[in-house]
Amino acid sequence: AQTVTQSQPEMSVQEAETVTLSCTYDTSESDYYLFWYKQPPSRQMILVIRQEAYKQQNATENRFSVNFQKAAKSFSLKISDSQLGDAAMYFCAYRSTSSGDKLTFGTGTRLAVRP
Amino acid sequence: SQTIHQWPATLVQPVGSPLSLECTVEGTSNPNLYWYRQAAGRGLQLLFYSVGIGQISSEVPQNLSASRPQDRQFILSSKKLLLSDSGFYLCAWTRDWVTEAFFGQGTRLTVV
Repeated sequence: AQTVTQSQPEMSVQEAETVTLSCTYDTSESDYYLFWYKQPPSRQMILVIRQEAYKQQNATENRFSVNFQKAAKSFSLKISDSQLGDAAMYFCAYRSTSSGDKLTFGTGTRLAVRP
Repeated sequence: SQTIHQWPATLVQPVGSPLSLECTVEGTSNPNLYWYRQAAGRGLQLLFYSVGIGQISSEVPQNLSASRPQDRQFILSSKKLLLSDSGFYLCAWTRDWVTEAFFGQGTRLTVV
């Protein structure tokens, strides 16, 4: 069974600085998708970035980028030039392409941004 | 465009009462549907997922059940609620060629 682990329950970053959130996963599959979702206080789930496992190039979306290490089963999120609006709960997620499209989330990392 | 509707937004129920939460997707066909629960300050726990009508996979054996009576309708139920069923429930959908998941607004359930 696939599992997703986020070992940092809470993180804090100074505004305009850079922060990296960690995520590791366990799978025996070779083809899958990885995601980072943001959940602000409104509780609405917002997609931040996604990575296809077959792509070697790390995904980038403006200030957000990932470090995808397939062999190490690691998928970290880097937030550059942190803004107050980045404060939220961040979830790493794994989507299987073979096990009935099962979508599994980690336990989340709460990010605080200090002004 | 596709939309997902989840209701009610807030629910307060006494212990031992039944539960029915409904999720409906519009603008697509044959979606994969998911129910998650989020306890206060915790992560998303996958409860059930469905890849088609009548096809339900249960992740956590507990006091809840799910049904998919129609292609785009996913229902989460309980015959008798427990205090531990309190939490924030999220419905989501995906499609085979759409890799990301889209979420409903969620239901905050408080069992008293």
